[in-house]
Amino acid sequence: GQQLNQSPQSMFIQEGEDVSMNCTSSSIFNTWLWYKQDPGEGPVLLIALYKAGELTSNGRLTAQFGITRKDSFLNISASIPSDVGIYFCAGRSNTNAGKSTFGDGTTLTVKP
Amino acid sequence: DADVTQTPRNRITKTGKRIMLECSQTKGHDRMYWYRQDPGLGLQLIYYSFDVKDINKGEISDGYSVSRQAQAKFSLSLESAIPNQTALYFCATSDSGVTDTQYFGPGTRLTVL
Repeated sequence: GQQLNQSPQSMFIQEGEDVSMNCTSSSIFNTWLWYKQDPGEGPVLLIALYKAGELTSNGRLTAQFGITRKDSFLNISASIPSDVGIYFCAGRSNTNAGKSTFGDGTTLTVKP
Repeated sequence: DADVTQTPRNRITKTGKRIMLECSQTKGHDRMYWYRQDPGLGLQLIYYSFDVKDINKGEISDGYSVSRQAQAKFSLSLESAIPNQTALYFCATSDSGVTDTQYFGPGTRLTVL
């Protein structure tokens, strides 16, 4: 089946630093989605990307849909303590019955 | 009120017991999913349903079964729970459009002793 490689697995950063994480796949996706899971809660959508090359921002978050359609990255600028959580990428392709495949997540810790 | 609710939120049970986790949604979505989350392993799809009459196995369906009682309700059963089914379980819904944005419930933490 389709698999996503998400990296890094975890990050420990100082408040105010920028963060970058990415997902790669051997398969082509039609949609890339980035979710955040706060401790004790379910994941919530942050950004959705629908077109190769697309660059989309949501506040301090910026995500890009790779040109090859096999990768995506998420950047967080000027991190704050509430950015703590697990970030998941998900790819969706029409060849997988329209289901999303999730990466294993990046756990972010922000030190005040 | 939450759009996707799960009951119970926490459950401790013993090996061999039958367990049912329930999920309800008020978003009017046709698609519903059950995922399992283990530390460091992300979200693994157990079962999914694209409408009331449609049930499909996901990546890790062995040891689990589901029932789609109505558009709004999708339950997950462990017929005979075993310790390695100890995990966090999430229900999710999505519409049948292009985006497939998934809306997750708050999760059920299951411990099998």
